[in-house]
Amino acid sequence: SAVISQKPSRDICQRGTSLTIQCQVDSQVTMMFWYRQQPGQSLTLIATANQGSEATYESGFVIDKFPISRPNLTFSTLTVSNMSPEDSSIYLCSVRMTGSSYNEQFFGPGTRLTVL
Amino acid sequence: AQKVTQAQTEISVVEKEDVTLDCVYETRDTTYYLFWYKQPPSGELVFLIRRNSFDEQNEISGRYSWNFQKSTSSFNFTITASQVVDSAVYFCALSYYNQGGKLIFGQGTELSVKP
Repeated sequence: SAVISQKPSRDICQRGTSLTIQCQVDSQVTMMFWYRQQPGQSLTLIATANQGSEATYESGFVIDKFPISRPNLTFSTLTVSNMSPEDSSIYLCSVRMTGSSYNEQFFGPGTRLTVL
Repeated sequence: AQKVTQAQTEISVVEKEDVTLDCVYETRDTTYYLFWYKQPPSGELVFLIRRNSFDEQNEISGRYSWNFQKSTSSFNFTITASQVVDSAVYFCALSYYNQGGKLIFGQGTELSVKP
């Protein structure tokens, strides 16, 4: 497995502002993903963070709202832009390990975001 | 359609009871992977098991066991002799070989184990 850290662990933000969430892995990984978990709900994939190129977004999520960077094989950021209360969620980074059995995925501890 | 259904929203049991969490999936693909994750109140998602579509062998890990049946598209999870520490939300998820590993989650089952 891998040790995955996220910063910040939680934050309370004002409407209209932006927050950047960082995901750091202690080893190189093949794939990195960002998921959202709205209160009391399941997890929904936002996008796949591609190293050195633009992220691949799922239906319903756009780059202007959730810009993602992945400058190397161990780090990615997700920005939640122009926030509204509906963006209050847990945001989770997930990784698939390089060289591991296909599709073993591990999750970071999550970032709890509250938008007022 | 690609879909995972966990029909049980909440389950409450008394400690030491056995409990089964149901998971039914829909897929057109022949190669896929099924997962179970545990999410305790702390919020972190804990990997429990991964199964590929070619391996229908049931698995046991301590008090946990999983029953994979392709004929009914089910991947059920049983906890034997439940403990208070088992209280959490449990998610079943589906992934496809040709989709880069992204996970499709069920709605989750909240398990409450009372002393």
